[in-house]
Formats: sequence, C-alpha cells, structure tokens
Amino acid sequence: GNSVTQMEGPVTLSEEAFLTINCTYTATGYPSLFWYVQYPGEGLQLLLKATKADDKGSNKGFEATYRKETTSFHLEKGSVQVSDSAVYFCALRAGSYIPTFGRGTSLIVHP
Amino acid sequence: DTGVSQNPRHKITKRGQNVTFRCDPISEHNRLYWYRQTLGQGPEFLTYFQNEAQLEKSRLLSDRFSAERPKGSFSTLEIQRTEQGDSAMYLCASSLAGGGDNNEQFFGPGTRLTVL
Repeated sequence: GNSVTQMEGPVTLSEEAFLTINCTYTATGYPSLFWYVQYPGEGLQLLLKATKADDKGSNKGFEATYRKETTSFHLEKGSVQVSDSAVYFCALRAGSYIPTFGRGTSLIVHP
Repeated sequence: DTGVSQNPRHKITKRGQNVTFRCDPISEHNRLYWYRQTLGQGPEFLTYFQNEAQLEKSRLLSDRFSAERPKGSFSTLEIQRTEQGDSAMYLCASSLAGGGDNNEQFFGPGTRLTVL
C-alpha cells in the first residue's frame, strides 16, 4: 500500500537558519506529492505540490523536488522565520482522490 | 466565502454518549471529506461525499460512526456510544470534482473530541 515517512520532530532552529524536513514515500504507480502546513489552531493548508518526477514545487520560500530515483520529496527553505513555526505534513495521492499523509514534523523557530 | 467551517471546535463528552459534528464546506465545492487525526499522527481518511452521495468509506469508520450530507451542502458526522479511543481531532475538507488542480482539498480547523 501507499505510505509516507517523515523525519521525527520537533525540529528546532534559530531564525534565518536553513531548513530541511525529510520525506520519503512508497506508492504504486506515479503519485502526486504534497506538503501541507498546519498552524496552531488552524486547518491544514496546501503549501506546495509536484505531480511528476523532477518537478519542483515552491511557495513562500519553501521548495521540494520530486525525486523518483530516491522516492523522496524533502522540504527546504533557505532562511526560516519565527512565523514558519508550525507542523508540516508530507502527503501523496496515487490513483485516488484521497491523500495518504505522513505523521507530521513540528518546526519551532526561535528569534 | 470564509472557507470550510466546523462546529463545535471542541467537544468533551462522557464515554457512552452520542456526539454530532457539523461541517460547512466552501459553497461551490461538491466533494466533502472527513478525516480523523490523533496526536502525533497525520490525518486518516474516514469517508467522502460527492454531492449527497457517500462514495467511499474507510475501514476505520466503524458501525458507531455515521456521516450524512442530506442536501449536498453541509455534512454531519455522528459517533454513537463514544469510547475513549474516539478522542481525536476530526477534520473536514472540501473540493471541486474533476482532475488536476481542481480537486485540491481545503481543510477546516477541525473539531477536537475528548471522551472522558
């Protein structure tokens, strides 16, 4: 079946540090890949996505590249801000309208 | 439109009681989804509707759970005879039907259920 594995958190960084959150997946066929963000007290929001191999999704300074050879979709940002503190979920969708989510990685950014 | 809304935001109940949650999707969205999220986990799919038809149900949706979307607009999720294991965040999402970018799901803030 489909599955998503994310690095465990929390990830704690100082403001302006470089961020990487690892995500690997297992899926049949050719999934679409997503990163969602959940701020405290709010619902999940789609952050970025990629629908085929070597695509790069980007939004708000975050980037992730769909790597079929390593089945990965790592999230990166060059300089994090305190306002980026949230929980980040990697997800895939393969042959269905229903996404499969990872467990989430909490990011805490200190001033 | 203010997005997907869910009520109540928090519900505390005693084991054995019935609870009902409501979700109001984005008005032009014809698909509506329910998920459950427990602490430290990602959302897990429960069921989804296209208009008023319930098209798919997860094995997680036991007989004590029932969802409706009677007029193809808002939806309710009822849990009968609640158990402590039902304590979780219940998320609702909505989307348009169709392929490509049109079926991006927009999530509500969730209803947090605590069963004592």
